[in-house]
Amino acid sequence: NAGVMQNPRHLVRRRGQEARLRCSPMKGHSHVYWYRQLPEEGLKFMVYLQKENIIDESGMPKERFSAEFPKEGPSILRIQQVVRGDSAAYFCASSPTSTEAFFGQGTRLTVV
Amino acid sequence: GEDVEQSLFLSVREGDSSVINCTYTDSSSTYLYWYKQEPGAGLQLLTYIFSNMDMKQDQRLTVLLNKKDKHLSLRIADTQTGDSAIYFCAERNTGTASKLTFGTGTRLQVTL
Repeated sequence: NAGVMQNPRHLVRRRGQEARLRCSPMKGHSHVYWYRQLPEEGLKFMVYLQKENIIDESGMPKERFSAEFPKEGPSILRIQQVVRGDSAAYFCASSPTSTEAFFGQGTRLTVV
Repeated sequence: GEDVEQSLFLSVREGDSSVINCTYTDSSSTYLYWYKQEPGAGLQLLTYIFSNMDMKQDQRLTVLLNKKDKHLSLRIADTQTGDSAIYFCAERNTGTASKLTFGTGTRLQVTL
């Protein structure tokens, strides 16, 4: 059973470009969470999704950020018009229930 | 709101026990977790404890929960150099869409 797969592992974008981060949850997991980790900080919750539904987006910035988890395919975190402050590690976690959450290796976004 | 605090750094000698502490503020936390993060890697779930328990042991790991004081600790017996990492405490309140709230992490350094 493969773990949570995130790609790309590293992503470099110029200011103003779009970043698309992908997360494939573990098989059988229907809950997906996105977290952001700034350098030397803990993880901050961004959004919680189930298939085709956003359950909680209270941690998402109001502008430029969006997330989806379609019926088929991976969950996508999309950041439009990236700025330097978006540079961070973005982690996806999946869960079969509300108890355990398993994290991917993360996507490290660098905005230049 | 929820808040989780940890000390930033701990240094121990190889073979000694490590104790990493965490305090939280949300009295309705239902699960409390310990994650390990090695440099450049994702988060590895080490163990978790349900809030109606006060202790859980798993091989070299012992988790103690003092619910009255909202204090959680992780003891690592016979600490090895491979245990050097950042350890995150996290709490989950099922009333908040099951998201995790993380501490800022404790960097454990194991010296020879």
